[in-house]
Amino acid sequence: KQEVTQIPAALSVPEGENLVLNCSFTDSAIYNLQWFRQDPGKGLTSLLLIQSSQREQTSGRLNASLDKSSGRSTLYIAASQPGDSATYLCAVRPGDDKIIFGKGTRLHILP
Amino acid sequence: SAVISQKPSRDICQRGTSLTIQCQVDSQVTMMFWYRQQPGQSLTLIATANQGSEATYESGFVIDKFPISRPNLTFSTLTVSNMSPEDSSIYLCSVGGARYEQYFGPGTRLTVT
Repeated sequence: KQEVTQIPAALSVPEGENLVLNCSFTDSAIYNLQWFRQDPGKGLTSLLLIQSSQREQTSGRLNASLDKSSGRSTLYIAASQPGDSATYLCAVRPGDDKIIFGKGTRLHILP
Repeated sequence: SAVISQKPSRDICQRGTSLTIQCQVDSQVTMMFWYRQQPGQSLTLIATANQGSEATYESGFVIDKFPISRPNLTFSTLTVSNMSPEDSSIYLCSVGGARYEQYFGPGTRLTVT
């Protein structure tokens, strides 16, 4: 059974720092992996999608990597800003139509 | 990408009543998904709704409690029936896009008193 784990559960860093969020999954047979952002009480915003054949994807200050064989993904945020404060969710698609979520990392950027 | 809207955005309901949540997508999609996010938790899939057929429910969710309609390829509703405080959650509608990217609506924040 596929399980997705995100570490740390919560993180506080000063504004301007670069940071890394981690995601691990137990079964490497995935179709893709997706990172989302969720603001309190709101829906999910898709940040980056990495297909199983890809190693990384970049969007602005965000870079997501995927090491399928070791069951790991990282989300790198450069030059963090207070507006980056949110919960970041990692989700994998095992190959059928249902995606499996981690519990998220709650990020707080200190002004 | 798909643009998804949900109504209502939030509601406060009394125990024992029902609430119907609407989900509208700006393009035709085969499958729509309904998720629940309880306070402080991650997302749990309630059911998958295909147009023209009965919804498929995940373990722990039943049609009598969460009836779903899917009248066409751009619209779906989820009803939360006979509500109790344990139903207080964010309910999210989702669709799949190109390359199996998943998109989510803004959510409906439900509080049951």
